[in-house]
Amino acid sequence: DAGITQSPRHKVTETGTPVTLRCHQTENHRYMYWYRQDPGHGLRLIHYSYGVKDTDKGEVSDGYSVSRSKTEDFLLTLESATSSQTSVYFCAIRGERHDGSYEQYFGPGTRLTVT
Amino acid sequence: DAKTTQPTSMDCAEGRAANLPCNHSTISGNEYVYWYRQIHSQGPQYIIHGLKNNETNEMASLIITEDRKSSTLILPHATLRDTAVYYCIVRVAMEYGNKLVFGAGTILRVKS
Repeated sequence: DAGITQSPRHKVTETGTPVTLRCHQTENHRYMYWYRQDPGHGLRLIHYSYGVKDTDKGEVSDGYSVSRSKTEDFLLTLESATSSQTSVYFCAIRGERHDGSYEQYFGPGTRLTVT
Repeated sequence: DAKTTQPTSMDCAEGRAANLPCNHSTISGNEYVYWYRQIHSQGPQYIIHGLKNNETNEMASLIITEDRKSSTLILPHATLRDTAVYYCIVRVAMEYGNKLVFGAGTILRVKS
């Protein structure tokens, strides 16, 4: 599982409240990613990080912000949650395979419901 | 970004080979094809990837056409545990690093 944990695993919150999701890794990987997955769809990239304090936007970044103050933690914040942000959120890290190529390893996901 | 097109669903008999097709006609020359699968609501799991050549590992084989516009994932002896959503993905370059562009995937049902 590449040592990835996400917290919380489930959360229900009200529209307009701030929410922070945490991704934690134990293997010192440089790249970390946040995706969201909606019913019937594949994953879509929200933000990613290429090092401490280095982040960039993905394809669906509106309404989300991220922070990475240390290698092991990548935080995703919804400043003011909306119902359209109800989704399953997956964190991923980029790990090197034995043949020198790369793959992304995914965490177990956080199911967020905004009422 | 390059897009992928896959069948919505497929069935396969247990013990038989499962052949999952994918079209990626707009893929660029330096973009890799990756396959992941997702079982229930777990995080996606890496299966295999390739650029131009066919690839094989302990899980599957990947056949890429010479023009790179399509590929096929082959699970040689499907089991019930292979029932999952299979994603054909193009890895594209970003300003820093790469990203995986997911499509909607194929639901593979392996039946006994």
